[in-house]
Amino acid sequence: QVQLVQSGAEVKKPGASVKVSCKASNYTFINYGISWVRQAPGQGLEWMGWISPHNGNTNYAQKLQGRVTMTTDTSTSTAYMELRSLRSDDTAVYYCARVSSGLDKWGQGTLVTVSS
Amino acid sequence: QSVLTQPPSVSGAPGQRVTISCIGSSSNIGAGYDVHWYQQLPGTAPKLLIFGNSIRPSGVPDRFSGSKSGTSASLAISGLQAEDEADYYCQSYETSLSGSVFGGGTKLTVL
Repeated sequence: QVQLVQSGAEVKKPGASVKVSCKASNYTFINYGISWVRQAPGQGLEWMGWISPHNGNTNYAQKLQGRVTMTTDTSTSTAYMELRSLRSDDTAVYYCARVSSGLDKWGQGTLVTVSS
Repeated sequence: QSVLTQPPSVSGAPGQRVTISCIGSSSNIGAGYDVHWYQQLPGTAPKLLIFGNSIRPSGVPDRFSGSKSGTSASLAISGLQAEDEADYYCQSYETSLSGSVFGGGTKLTVL
């Protein structure tokens, strides 16, 4: 079965960077895009952006432009999301999801806590 | 505030039918972009419930149905069950942002 397995929880200080990984299995990685979505505590879902593992094309949410970078490693079927200059309001659960018609498979989520 | 507006909460008794609206505009749903719906049970990752406005992925009960008209979309849940108690989100594409957007989410309570 298709699986997306994300890296573990992180605690970062304001101003630091975080890089979350998302390892895909049981499907052809380059055939589907990967989106990243985050959810602050008690809040709704926020779309962060998308990357095509096929050619590396990206589309980032306007509010995160300049602070976020999404990459993929096709040799290991792994997607990465790096967020820089972290602030307290970046505290959230970060999800990766496979892009098909909609986001059809999701990772388990990675809690990133930003605190001094 | 999201460009897709959902009611914060809805409720219904077991066996009843409820609908959740997702109101957009001419720059998203009204521009012809598909609407997708997700169910998020407490403490879990979202799950795709409806894609392409009205299509159920394999394994989703036919109690769940989606529709789209003009600048809005709706999710209907019939024969409510206790296990349907969750948060529901719509998603579409917003041309002014050149990216995807989610509605603010709707908490469904089964009375």
